[in-house]
Amino acid sequence: DAGITQSPRHKVTETGTPVTLRCHQTENHRYMYWYRQDPGHGLRLIHYSYGVKDTDKGEVSDGYSVSRSKTEDFLLTLESATSSQTSVYFCAISESIRGTPLHFGNGTRLTVT
Amino acid sequence: ILNVEQSPQSLHVQEGDSTNFTCSFPSSNFYALHWYRWETAKSPEALFVMTLNGDEKKKGRISATLNTKEGYSYLYIKGSQPEDSATYLCALISGGYNKLIFGAGTRLAVHP
Repeated sequence: DAGITQSPRHKVTETGTPVTLRCHQTENHRYMYWYRQDPGHGLRLIHYSYGVKDTDKGEVSDGYSVSRSKTEDFLLTLESATSSQTSVYFCAISESIRGTPLHFGNGTRLTVT
Repeated sequence: ILNVEQSPQSLHVQEGDSTNFTCSFPSSNFYALHWYRWETAKSPEALFVMTLNGDEKKKGRISATLNTKEGYSYLYIKGSQPEDSATYLCALISGGYNKLIFGAGTRLAVHP
């Protein structure tokens, strides 16, 4: 398996609190992605990074921010969690997505009460 | 935002049947198409990355074809087995971006 770790694996939080999810890789891959799993939508892209300090928005970026200060870490922050952000969040990495596939982490299950 | 459509939404087949699903996408500015297999409670796993019109890829009983001019890809499973039960996702990269946008998936159930 590609060296990719998500933490925490499970998180329950209250509406209005900030939450940060971490994705850590040991593969030195350039590209990192955050997706959320939604019934009927498959995986939806939140944000992605194409290098240190280089990030861009995905399909559902409202309410989320990201940071990548080191190659190995990509953080996803929910500034003020809402119930609609209850989901399973997947991080993925790739050396070069135009020719190589994504490798996914094990996911973080987030529940906002 | 790219529109990647997969059909059918779900499929139930008997063990031994062969089956196929479709991924449709805008044909302009095509860059690459990915297929993934996603079992319940697990993470998606890559099947194929396809970049050229006319590409055909094969992995065991699973194969895929790509037509970038008309904007579709087919995934075929020959002689389905219960362990093939999963959601099959396609994802597209278009234009000069590195965004990989997924379709909603086709959920396959193979019954013994």
